[in-house]
Amino acid sequence: DTEVTQTPKHLVMGMTNKKSLKCEQHMGHRAMYWYKQKAKKPPELMFVYSYEKLSINESVPSRFSPECPNSSLLNLHLHALQPEDSALYLCASSQPGQGTLNQPQHFGDGTRLSIL
Amino acid sequence: GDSVTQMEGPVTLSEEAFLTINCTYTATGYPSLFWYVQYPGEGLQLLLKATKADDKGSNKGFEATYRKETTSFHLEKGSVQVSDSAVYFCALRSPDTGRRALTFGSGTRLQVQP
Repeated sequence: DTEVTQTPKHLVMGMTNKKSLKCEQHMGHRAMYWYKQKAKKPPELMFVYSYEKLSINESVPSRFSPECPNSSLLNLHLHALQPEDSALYLCASSQPGQGTLNQPQHFGDGTRLSIL
Repeated sequence: GDSVTQMEGPVTLSEEAFLTINCTYTATGYPSLFWYVQYPGEGLQLLLKATKADDKGSNKGFEATYRKETTSFHLEKGSVQVSDSAVYFCALRSPDTGRRALTFGSGTRLQVQP
């Protein structure tokens, strides 16, 4: 069983829809991440939150809007997506700080997103 | 910048065969190294890790040794099972870049036949 929970597991949306992906962890981690994974490729980093503040945005288009309402929750708001945005979206969490870089990231099972 | 290079797949083996998946890295400083496994339709699960030179990570019969002199972290298992069929990712976290995220290799698909 994963300790990082993502909902929904599957999402199909049109290009004009607005939807949100949700991620929750109760491990006390203060760093949370969004990754995008295309088929047969490694995960690509999108955003990093550290202590509920956005610390890294990997030049992601504005149609993806992250939000970290508290230390346990991470959302990804989607609007006006393109077909090429269809992918598996993975959330992860870990302890932040230089002293914890040897600690692994814990991943959720992801949301499989299809854009029609 | 940091990078991880894995052997191309797919790797196809018979059950009980010996497995090696090669991984080499480029990073500043002394990174922490990880192997993650992704089963079909699932997210990534941590398989093992090593945080300093000559450390050996092990889990579920898999092993990998952090070799600083060859900048390698090869994954091995003595006897694979059909249930080991998955995609394996080598990854690193470097303390010198300030990044908190992982740098992944391209992944290696393992197919184990009965």
